Amino acid sequence: NAGVTQTPKFQVLKTGQSMTLQCAQDMNHEYMSWYRQDPGMGLRLIHYSVGAGITDQGEVPNGYNVSRSTTEDFPLRLLSAAPSQTSVYFCASRIAGNTGELFFGEGSRLTVL
Amino acid sequence: AQTVTQSQPEMSVQEAETVTLSCTYDTSESDYYLFWYKQPPSRQMILVIRQEAYKQQNATENRFSVNFQKAAKSFSLKISDSQLGDAAMYFCAYRQIDDKIIFGKGTRLHILP
Repeated sequence: NAGVTQTPKFQVLKTGQSMTLQCAQDMNHEYMSWYRQDPGMGLRLIHYSVGAGITDQGEVPNGYNVSRSTTEDFPLRLLSAAPSQTSVYFCASRIAGNTGELFFGEGSRLTVL
Repeated sequence: AQTVTQSQPEMSVQEAETVTLSCTYDTSESDYYLFWYKQPPSRQMILVIRQEAYKQQNATENRFSVNFQKAAKSFSLKISDSQLGDAAMYFCAYRQIDDKIIFGKGTRLHILP
């Protein structure tokens, strides 16, 4: 039972490079989201999606793109990485319309030099 | 926009004692969900307890219980008989009507043997 799978778990980038954080879930969850976690800041919502073909911005969307072509996958793209994007990123999913428990991936630690 | 405030960045409690973590939120919605998540050093996010705003009865899960004060917009977590395994970051979270889930900045709980 894989749940929510994030790859890679660790990544080091240079400023200006691009990369994609992958997120896949096998629970047929309609809702998927990306958070970043920084010390003293808690978890901040970057983007979220309530179903295939639908995405929306969260609290801190600048510098990140997402797409949702399938129910299972919700990749997060950094087009031109900046040191301020150094963080731990979490993907989370849940069934739309229920009590809202999120199922989280294990997190991806990204360092931008 | 809804906000979630955890005013205690860190707390300590003696093993076997009781501790209460505070959380307040700001909202104009009447129906919503509130959650407490635990993040141990493994970084995995674990749901501790949830509360539906339309239910007046406070939620309880074994040693964990909440004090939900809707009028005061307060949602505190009480941990009874604290154990070493309870040491973690605890996040309060609010689910908005548009499906966004917003987190507080967290409280780091230390358990003293």
